[in-house]
Amino acid sequence: NAGVTQTPKFRILKIGQSMTLQCAQDMNHNYMYWYRQDPGMGLKLIYYSVGAGITDKGEVPNGYNVSRSTTEDFPLRLELAAPSQTSVYFCASSYRRQGNHGYTFGSGTRLTVV
Amino acid sequence: GQQVMQIPQYQHVQEGEDFTTYCNSSTTLSNIQWYKQRPGGHPVFLIQLVKSGEVKKQKRLTFQFGEAKKNSSLHITATQTTDVGTYFCAVLLNTGTASKLTFGTGTRLQVTL
Repeated sequence: NAGVTQTPKFRILKIGQSMTLQCAQDMNHNYMYWYRQDPGMGLKLIYYSVGAGITDKGEVPNGYNVSRSTTEDFPLRLELAAPSQTSVYFCASSYRRQGNHGYTFGSGTRLTVV
Repeated sequence: GQQVMQIPQYQHVQEGEDFTTYCNSSTTLSNIQWYKQRPGGHPVFLIQLVKSGEVKKQKRLTFQFGEAKKNSSLHITATQTTDVGTYFCAVLLNTGTASKLTFGTGTRLQVTL
């Protein structure tokens, strides 16, 4: 199993550009999440999904959008990129609602907005 | 929202020394999870604690959940260079249809020979 796969690994965007961060998992997890991690900081939840077709906002959703058309994929869309969105983005998934086995994280996308 | 504070923010030890990081909350926690993130890497789940006073061990790592369920600790005995990284505690909040993980600020551990 590949687990959680994120692409691209690195990206540089110019202010005002848009892009989609891809996330796919092959563990048949219903729950998926997007976090951002600023340098030297903890992780903040952007959006999450409890299943195909169902998404909701996390702590820091402004400037982002998500969709969940399949169980496997949970892309994160950045519209009109701003320097404040320079961060490392992690996608994660979990099997159960309670997350007893923890979240499985992807390797991250390092985004720089210049 | 529920917040968890971790101390210290950073610790530098020599290989073989012990290390402890603490996670504190002002409110009672239903559970707590611990993750390790290597430099340049992604968080990796270590363990979950749910019971008051619970103690779990993984080789040189000992995890404790306080009796009042307001604090937790991770203790590493005889650190090795492979222990380098940032250790996060995280609280799982079950709200409506979803569970959401809120992370602490993390403790960065540096180990030198």
